[in-house]
Amino acid sequence: DSGVTQTPKHLITATGQRVTLRCSPRSGDLSVYWYQQSLDQGLQFLIQYYNGEERAKGNILERFSAQQFPDLHSELNLSSLELGDSALYFCASSPRDRGTYGYTFGSGTRLTVV
Amino acid sequence: GENVEQHPSTLSVQEGDSAVIKCTYSDSASNYFPWYKQELGKGPQLIIDIRSNVGEKKDQRIAVTLNKTAKHFSLHITETQPEDSAVYFCAASRYNTDKLIFGTGTRLQVFP
Repeated sequence: DSGVTQTPKHLITATGQRVTLRCSPRSGDLSVYWYQQSLDQGLQFLIQYYNGEERAKGNILERFSAQQFPDLHSELNLSSLELGDSALYFCASSPRDRGTYGYTFGSGTRLTVV
Repeated sequence: GENVEQHPSTLSVQEGDSAVIKCTYSDSASNYFPWYKQELGKGPQLIIDIRSNVGEKKDQRIAVTLNKTAKHFSLHITETQPEDSAVYFCAASRYNTDKLIFGTGTRLQVFP
């Protein structure tokens, strides 16, 4: 157990729908990062939050949004879903506000859009 | 843009043999190079990392080498065991940036 909790583990939904993925970081970690892993692809950085504030943005679609709450858990909202959004979505947490050292990944949410 | 190429995409070895996975990065300002192991149904787990001020780092059966001039870095696993079977990802980032650029992964199979 990495200490980073992601729910749900699996999600099947139809095109056009909206879903919310949840991530609880390791105890004491203030940064949460979201990554997307499509089939046979590496992980693509989506967005980072640090202590409730958006800190960095990657290749995140406008249909996607995220937030980090006062208890430091984070949610990734995916709307107007398309077949191509089917992927594994990982979050990682870190105690740092900058830098990529000390990342710890969760087990991911597998999203299937049908 | 920033890119990390990883080869091979699949690698099969006999138990006890060595395995080598190679990555090339494009951003010459990259100075942190971690390697992750991803087992089925789990998230990536950091197994070793190297910073640009060293050329090699070793941890038991795992070693990483870095050639900054050529912008290459490699993962070496010696005396492979069946439990080493997994997908391995290399990554690169600049110091104090907020994202890792990942390679596309290598599926390693170790046959008993």
